[in-house]
Amino acid sequence: NAGVTQTPKFQVLKTGQSMTLQCAQDMNHEYMSWYRQDPGMGLRLIHYSVGAGITDQGEVPNGYNVSRSTTEDFPLRLLSAAPSQTSVYFCASSYARLAGGPGNEQFFGPGTRLTVL
Amino acid sequence: AQTVTQSQPEMSVQEAETVTLSCTYDTSESDYYLFWYKQPPSRQMILVIRQEAYKQQNATENRFSVNFQKAAKSFSLKISDSQLGDAAMYFCAYRSAETSYDKVIFGPGTSLSVIP
Repeated sequence: NAGVTQTPKFQVLKTGQSMTLQCAQDMNHEYMSWYRQDPGMGLRLIHYSVGAGITDQGEVPNGYNVSRSTTEDFPLRLLSAAPSQTSVYFCASSYARLAGGPGNEQFFGPGTRLTVL
Repeated sequence: AQTVTQSQPEMSVQEAETVTLSCTYDTSESDYYLFWYKQPPSRQMILVIRQEAYKQQNATENRFSVNFQKAAKSFSLKISDSQLGDAAMYFCAYRSAETSYDKVIFGPGTSLSVIP
């Protein structure tokens, strides 16, 4: 199993550019989520999904779009990059909450460091 | 909405000593999961320990144990016999087991240094 993979590992954008951060998992997890990590603020939830075709907003959704057309993939789109979106982005997956038991652990990708100039 | 607070931005411990990291959370729910994750300089998030709120017994994983006080909404992590490899950011996280949506909320983290 590759687990959770993210591409790219690093990215530099100019203000106003758009891009997509890719996330894929091969564990057949229903739940997938995107976080951004900023110093002193921990991980803040951007968007999450409980299955293909189902997405919802987290704490900081503005400026980001997601879609979930397959169980495996959950891309994050930046519509018009801003310097405030400079951050490290993590994708995570797990079994859905209702699966219960130890399946509720989230598995994380290696992160993408994004810089917006 | 649920919130998670970690009041210690930075902590340090001497090698082989014991350290306790604090976490408090706010929720109106009675059933939920709590987690501690470790993030070393490699940036990879690693699950350290988990606790299910309906279980009164505190979870233990080798040198890591928790003190779960449900009434006080407190979930502290104790690291015994600290090792240099324990130096990392530690995040406390909350996951609802009741509401119609399924979110995992993290605290701001505690940076742990281990002094040789």
